[in-house]
Amino acid sequence: GQQVMQIPQYQHVQEGEDFTTYCNSSTTLSNIQWYKQRPGGHPVFLIQLVKSGEVKKQKRLTFQFGEAKKNSSLHITATQTTDVGTYFCAGHSGGSNYKLTFGKGTLLTVNP
Amino acid sequence: ETGVTQSPTHLIKTRGQQVTLRCSSQSGHNTVSWYQQALGQGPQFIFQYYREEENGRGNFPPRFSGLQFPNYSSELNVNALELDDSALYLCASSAPGPPSRETQYFGPGTRLLVL
Repeated sequence: GQQVMQIPQYQHVQEGEDFTTYCNSSTTLSNIQWYKQRPGGHPVFLIQLVKSGEVKKQKRLTFQFGEAKKNSSLHITATQTTDVGTYFCAGHSGGSNYKLTFGKGTLLTVNP
Repeated sequence: ETGVTQSPTHLIKTRGQQVTLRCSSQSGHNTVSWYQQALGQGPQFIFQYYREEENGRGNFPPRFSGLQFPNYSSELNVNALELDDSALYLCASSAPGPPSRETQYFGPGTRLLVL
């Protein structure tokens, strides 16, 4: 079945440093979504990428979808303590079943 | 907040018991998906309901079952609980029509502990 891998599993940074997490799918995706889960919380939708090579920005966050629609990345510029949490990518492979396959996530901690 | 609500927030059961978890979808959303999230893992798809019918299922045994009601709220039932069923159970709703149906809005989850 479809698998979604994410690296790194953990990332600790000093406040102000940049952060990147990478996501790779075993199959071509219809779209990819990114979620953030704060400790003790639930996943919160950040963004959806649909087009090959798409790049979207949200303030300090930059999301990319690969040309082959099998990989994606999330880059945070100048991290802040409010960025702490686990970032998940979730792939949708198309079809009428809107199942999302999640990666294991990258836990980001930020030292003030 | 997403407007998706779940109950109860926490639950403790013993092995072999049965449990029912409930979810109210966001207004206007007709699709509900259930996920299991074990500690330190990403959410795993259990099944999805659309217009009161099961619309896809993940790799979970038949003792995981569900329902969707005419108001689009949903239940997840788990029979013969096992220790490994201890997890955060997440409900997610999505709006009708592409591409909205592909974006899922999660509720706060139910934390189930099986002893």
